[in-house]
Amino acid sequence: DAGVIQSPRHEVTEMGQEVTLRCKPISGHNSLFWYRQTMMRGLELLIYFNNNVPIDDSGMPEDRFSAKMPNASFSTLKIQPSEPRDSAVYFCASSLTVGRYGVNTGELFFGEGSRLTVL
Amino acid sequence: ILNVEQSPQSLHVQEGDSTNFTCSFPSSNFYALHWYRWETAKSPEALFVMTLNGDEKKKGRISATLNTKEGYSYLYIKGSQPEDSATYLCARSGTGANNLFFGTGTRLTVIP
Repeated sequence: DAGVIQSPRHEVTEMGQEVTLRCKPISGHNSLFWYRQTMMRGLELLIYFNNNVPIDDSGMPEDRFSAKMPNASFSTLKIQPSEPRDSAVYFCASSLTVGRYGVNTGELFFGEGSRLTVL
Repeated sequence: ILNVEQSPQSLHVQEGDSTNFTCSFPSSNFYALHWYRWETAKSPEALFVMTLNGDEKKKGRISATLNTKEGYSYLYIKGSQPEDSATYLCARSGTGANNLFFGTGTRLTVIP
């Protein structure tokens, strides 16, 4: 089985440019998460989707960040305009939500991450 | 925000030693506690998911316990090996919340 696939693996861009990160979750998983890894905060949840619907985007830093999930097999995280402080590794993860009340007791499967550097 | 705290931040042990570290979390509205292992240059991989107070899980030399009443979980590694060197993350979800909030991890280095 293919795991969670993220692209690009590495992106170097200049401040002010638009950045789009892509994620293909594991087939059959119904929850998708975007995390950002920084030295200061570790793994920081940005947004998650359940059945393609954004459930909680309270972790999105500001309006420059947006995420979409047009179908069950694809999600994007967009930063426009990008700033140097956005430099980080962005992880996508998917899971199968199996618990009561739809709470996640399924383990997360992570992609390999997209390392973003904004100059 | 569900504050998940892990200690220690980093740990060096000799090969063959046993070790353990702690994850503490708010006990109210608790639903599940996850442990992940994260090797350098790779992505986190799940070790355990626990939901019930008193849960104990084991995978080889690694085991974990859960106390939901007081809000902590321990991860134990018996007879540490160099390949156990990694960052160990815990994450908590609460009732009504499908998201997982991660601690900042314990970075383990096993010295041959």
